[in-house]
Amino acid sequence: LAKITQPISMDSYEGQEVNITCSHNNIATNDYITWYQQFPSQGPRFIIQGYKTKVTNEVASLFIPADRKSSTLSLPRVSLSDTAVYYCLSAGTYKYIFGTGTRLKVLA
Amino acid sequence: EAQVTQNPRYLITVTGKKLTVTCSQNMNHEYMSWYRQDPGLGLRQIYYSMNVEVTDKGDVPEGYKVSRKEKRNFPLILESPSPNQTSLYFCASSPGLAGGPVEQYFGPGTRLTVT
Repeated sequence: LAKITQPISMDSYEGQEVNITCSHNNIATNDYITWYQQFPSQGPRFIIQGYKTKVTNEVASLFIPADRKSSTLSLPRVSLSDTAVYYCLSAGTYKYIFGTGTRLKVLA
Repeated sequence: EAQVTQNPRYLITVTGKKLTVTCSQNMNHEYMSWYRQDPGLGLRQIYYSMNVEVTDKGDVPEGYKVSRKEKRNFPLILESPSPNQTSLYFCASSPGLAGGPVEQYFGPGTRLTVT
């Protein structure tokens, strides 16, 4: 069973780039690495997903090294509205293992 | 509007009194799943369903049952709730898999308290 670890919390200022690293030392060969965002009183919302190397979409980038033991979510130029909890997870065919989440606080 | 709905949103009950939390999606998704969220533990998968009449256990299935008789509905049943099942529960759905996991759409959550 993959164990997913993330920093508990991070602070950043508006306009900065934020990088959140996730450790998944024993991720299954076929599992993807996925990131979700969660605001208070809401369900998680999908951000980005990848298998290896780099993936970029309109809101974030995901960097996955060749050994796949870790990954880094990069949020460019964060704003106050990016304050949320960010979850890294190992996504298998049907099973999903969430990390404990990183609480990001963006300061003005 | 495409969405996942859960009912009730809040529930306080007593130990041993059977309850059902309903989950419904209007996106014709094949895959549905239940999670519980507890402080410091993140979200943990309880059960999932790949399609109608096909379900399987997640990481924390003890004390829970599910059924999938229709594609749109995936109720979570607690036959005899206990205080350690006090938690925030989320239902999620996603389209059929195409070579790998796909984006899940989450419901708004159900906060359950068992006294």
